[in-house]
Amino acid sequence: SQQGEEDPQALSIQEGENATMNCSYKTSINNLQWYRQNSGRGLVHLILIRSNEREKHSGRLRVTLDTSKKSSSLLITASRAADTASYFCATWSGGSNYKLTFGKGTLLTVNP
Amino acid sequence: GAGVSQTPSNKVTEKGKYVELRCDPISGHTALYWYRQSLGQGPEFLIYFQGTGAADDSGLPNDRFFAVRPEGSVSTLKIQRTERGDSAVYLCASSSGRGGFYEQYFGPGTRLTVT
Repeated sequence: SQQGEEDPQALSIQEGENATMNCSYKTSINNLQWYRQNSGRGLVHLILIRSNEREKHSGRLRVTLDTSKKSSSLLITASRAADTASYFCATWSGGSNYKLTFGKGTLLTVNP
Repeated sequence: GAGVSQTPSNKVTEKGKYVELRCDPISGHTALYWYRQSLGQGPEFLIYFQGTGAADDSGLPNDRFFAVRPEGSVSTLKIQRTERGDSAVYLCASSSGRGGFYEQYFGPGTRLTVT
């Protein structure tokens, strides 16, 4: 079953604009991860944020986590056509649970 | 270095047939995962190996699905008596440790089509 729900399902923007995607989840987590998937490179890990962190940056990516609302957001600044892909959040509940639980994803299209 | 590889990249089979999907993880990665991704959905967990043993097979949908990793590296996902509902992309991932502490590296997937 899917834990995360990304919002919006699809997003279309112009190159240079910022893109924000949201993820909501249902159960408590140890960490939340964002992945990107496109036809050229498959599924690629972008960034991991732990449950005791509120914000994390990596290059043009900014991730926030609000555990009280069970939600996260991914901001991509100064988008490029190469950012066109599907973006998924994945949660790990920790302990003896080994699996990541993915959401349904947001399809981002960046128009040149 | 070499990433995770999966073969075949595409597999078309008839309903009722048996298929094997292969995953070659990154060298030295002890943890190996299989996921299944249907169109428009995120990957869904199937099974996790730590070394040679299946530590968690709770995601396998039924007993037609089975996976092995006999020497702790290459893994094979086996599907018996395939059904049209098994059509999906099967993804393999490996990591250097268990659970969500460690980044998972995904292969390109095998697209299975059951006709």
